Amino acid sequence: AQSVTQPDIHITVSEGASLELRCNYSYGATPYLFWYVQSPGQGLQLLLKYFSGDTLVQGIKGFEAEFKRSQSSFNLRKPSVHWSDAAEYFCAVGDYGGSQGNLIFGKGTKLSVKP
Amino acid sequence: GAGVSQSPRYKVAKRGQDVALRCDPISGHVSLFWYQQALGQGPEFLTYFQNEAQLDKSGLPSDRFFAERPEGSVSTLKIQRTQQEDSAVYLCASSLTGAFSYEQYFGPGTRLTVT
Repeated sequence: AQSVTQPDIHITVSEGASLELRCNYSYGATPYLFWYVQSPGQGLQLLLKYFSGDTLVQGIKGFEAEFKRSQSSFNLRKPSVHWSDAAEYFCAVGDYGGSQGNLIFGKGTKLSVKP
Repeated sequence: GAGVSQSPRYKVAKRGQDVALRCDPISGHVSLFWYQQALGQGPEFLTYFQNEAQLDKSGLPSDRFFAERPEGSVSTLKIQRTQQEDSAVYLCASSLTGAFSYEQYFGPGTRLTVT
């Protein structure tokens, strides 16, 4: 069965610093991979997704992620963090074993931004 | 246009009460998903509708959980005889189709607290 691991529960970075959030997945074939962001009291918003092709994916709000098959990873990056990026970030994989379209999420990484 | 809306936003129920949670998806979206997000966890899939058909209910934790979408638009998640372990945020998402290539749009969730 597919699974997603986000090793970091909480990360704090200074505003303007670079950011990398880690995500590892377990799946035999090429997965569908997603990053979502959740602000307090808000629903999940899709940042970016990977299906196939170019392994470096650009998303909204200046985020990007790189799919590395050899490492089973899909890490999220941003070159310069803004205070408004403080939120919880979830990595997800498409569940081929279930119905069409449902997602399997990691436990999330909470990002705090220091001024 | 309007996004996915959910009501109520907050619900407190005494153990043993029945609750009903409502989801209004984006107009025209065929697919509708329910997820359960426990505190400190990522969302977990509960059930999936394609129009009015419930195609997958494999994630429903017990037979106390029931979902419907009778006219293929609004959906209701009902929990009978609530237990403390049902306390969580219940998220609804809709998508143009069920395929992974279409973005799932999430509502803000209903936070259920069972006392």
